[in-house]
Amino acid sequence: EIVMTQSPATLSVSPGKRATLSCRASQSVSSNLAWYQQKPGQAPRLLIYGASTRATGIPARFSGSGSGTEFTLTISSLQSEDFAVYYCQQYNNWPLFGQGTRLEIK
Amino acid sequence: EVQLVESGGGLVQPGRSLRLSCAASGFTFDDYAMHWVRQAPGKGLEWVSGISWNSGSIGYADSVKGRFTISRDNAKNSLYLQMNSLRAEDTALYYCAKDESEVVAGPIDYWGQGTLVTVSS
Repeated sequence: EIVMTQSPATLSVSPGKRATLSCRASQSVSSNLAWYQQKPGQAPRLLIYGASTRATGIPARFSGSGSGTEFTLTISSLQSEDFAVYYCQQYNNWPLFGQGTRLEIK
Repeated sequence: EVQLVESGGGLVQPGRSLRLSCAASGFTFDDYAMHWVRQAPGKGLEWVSGISWNSGSIGYADSVKGRFTISRDNAKNSLYLQMNSLRAEDTALYYCAKDESEVVAGPIDYWGQGTLVTVSS
């Protein structure tokens, strides 16, 4: 059974700075990895799929990398609207989400 | 515009049943796999169940296997979740979600706004 682990649980970063979020799979999921953003009271939004492809309408400051078991979501210059909870999800097998990383304003 | 509208949530006693529905529009429903994903209050996302475009492939999370049944009616552009033997730990906001592919093998590219299920005596 695959386990998805995100780190850190909470990340405090100042606006305009770079944020780096990590996601680790307990076994290889190839590049079948997506990232989602969720703001309070809203449904999740797809940001990245295929580990590194931005979804439609997602700003270029969001980028994803990695393959196999180690993945990273980078937000290059944080805007106020980027402070939210981020989830990774593997879809190499039946879908499974990580526990989330809360990105908060420092 | 893709729209997914869930209904059927509410307050139910432990051990009872509830059936959720999702009305889809804005895309060719029978071209895509669909999912139910839930989120307990203040918690993270949990995939519950998924179904391929033709119902030929169906999967469930271990936490609901044997109690929940997913189904779809392509003629009605609708997705369903029959939930039996409900437990307090099933209390959550249930999202209907669209897969990017026809089989349960893609990212989830659209989400509904959710329907709240509360299991309590």
